[in-house]
Amino acid sequence: GQQLNQSPQSMFIQEGEDVSMNCTSSSIFNTWLWYKQDPGEGPVLLIALYKAGELTSNGRLTAQFGITRKDSFLNISASIPSDVGIYFCAGSTGNQFYFGTGTSLTVIP
Amino acid sequence: KAGVTQTPRYLIKTRGQQVTLSCSPISGHRSVSWYQQTPGQGLQFLFEYFSETQRNKGNFPGRFSGRQFSNSRSEMNVSTLELGDSALYLCASRRAQSSYEQYFGPGTRLTVT
Repeated sequence: GQQLNQSPQSMFIQEGEDVSMNCTSSSIFNTWLWYKQDPGEGPVLLIALYKAGELTSNGRLTAQFGITRKDSFLNISASIPSDVGIYFCAGSTGNQFYFGTGTSLTVIP
Repeated sequence: KAGVTQTPRYLIKTRGQQVTLSCSPISGHRSVSWYQQTPGQGLQFLFEYFSETQRNKGNFPGRFSGRQFSNSRSEMNVSTLELGDSALYLCASRRAQSSYEQYFGPGTRLTVT
């Protein structure tokens, strides 16, 4: 199945730094979602975006739905140790969901 | 409100055996999807059930099958297990087939030896 291009693949940052990751697709989506997955657990939904250009925040997380509807980015401000994990983007047509390859985030205290 | 639950959480099977995994969606959610997650392939869509009917199917062999019950609970079966079937199997639910928000369970870690 189709996988979205997500970058970077991994990040090593100092606690307190801001983080940015993005996702691109050759297809248009109606919705973009961002998930976080801890080791051995299922992905947890962080943010859902429904309109092109939409900017949505959830605490220290901010995500945007690209104008072309083919991309999205996620920012994490002032990172803390518990932000460690793998972040996935997902695009949805309503019928199916397509997932990015994930960004592995390591936060160094 | 309880989240998506999956049982068992861990399973070890031998090649050639079959296995059944279970998923209970969030209360009120009627659509259940199954995914296979491996380090090399990422999240791969297996199938989706809504109102006890399979609505979408990914590119997996016929050894992978599923069903959904009238209470929206779902089971996934894998027959004639192969070593390559070792993976984290994730179940996800959404309120309706047209809903855009999908919620995942904790997964079942299947190891085939």
